[in-house]
Amino acid sequence: DTAVSQTPKYLVTQMGNDKSIKCEQNLGHDTMYWYKQDSKKFLKIMFSYNNKELIINETVPNRFSPKSPDKAHLNLHINSLELGDSAVYFCASSRPSIGQVVGDGYTFGSGTRLTVV
Amino acid sequence: DAKTTQPNSMESNEEEPVHLPCNHSTISGTDYIHWYRQLPSQGPEYVIHGLTSNVNNRMASLAIAEDRKSSTLILHRATLRDAAVYYCILRGSGNTGKLIFGQGTTLQVKP
Repeated sequence: DTAVSQTPKYLVTQMGNDKSIKCEQNLGHDTMYWYKQDSKKFLKIMFSYNNKELIINETVPNRFSPKSPDKAHLNLHINSLELGDSAVYFCASSRPSIGQVVGDGYTFGSGTRLTVV
Repeated sequence: DAKTTQPNSMESNEEEPVHLPCNHSTISGTDYIHWYRQLPSQGPEYVIHGLTSNVNNRMASLAIAEDRKSSTLILHRATLRDAAVYYCILRGSGNTGKLIFGQGTTLQVKP
């Protein structure tokens, strides 16, 4: 059983289109994240949700909108795609760190490679 | 956010131990030291974490300096499958637990 699964694995689309990436975790974790890894391989956090509530929003353009219908799912919708959005997007989950143990590890999905042409 | 410093790259021979260093001189008392690795074309993978004492698990060992300003990830017998980028990250309570990745150390394992 895949712990954190993302779909699709690959996404090629034209500039200006709107696309979504889905993420699901079956670990019972309360906190989920989206990370972006650019062509230089730097991993940067974009968003974090704890039990469906947005807790981290890191200077990300408004074109990116995360949605968490329940604590097991965190989807990422991107409007008006631009060339610079091309990257690998990783979803991750962990047990909550707010007010609780902060030492636990994250579990990452295998990534969605987005190519904007 | 407290920062870590790692060498850009390291080489090792297969079946030999590997010591991956990390400096974190601005670590705070509540920061945990986490290590992740990323194999080619995969997502980051949790390796180990610790606070003050040395830690062992099936993947690796983590040696933490007494002043906590540095740590070392130890792979006891490197295999070709251990070739990856290794990230040393501080995770504290004040930043809602987010992991901030640096450039990591690219480990090359030679047969």
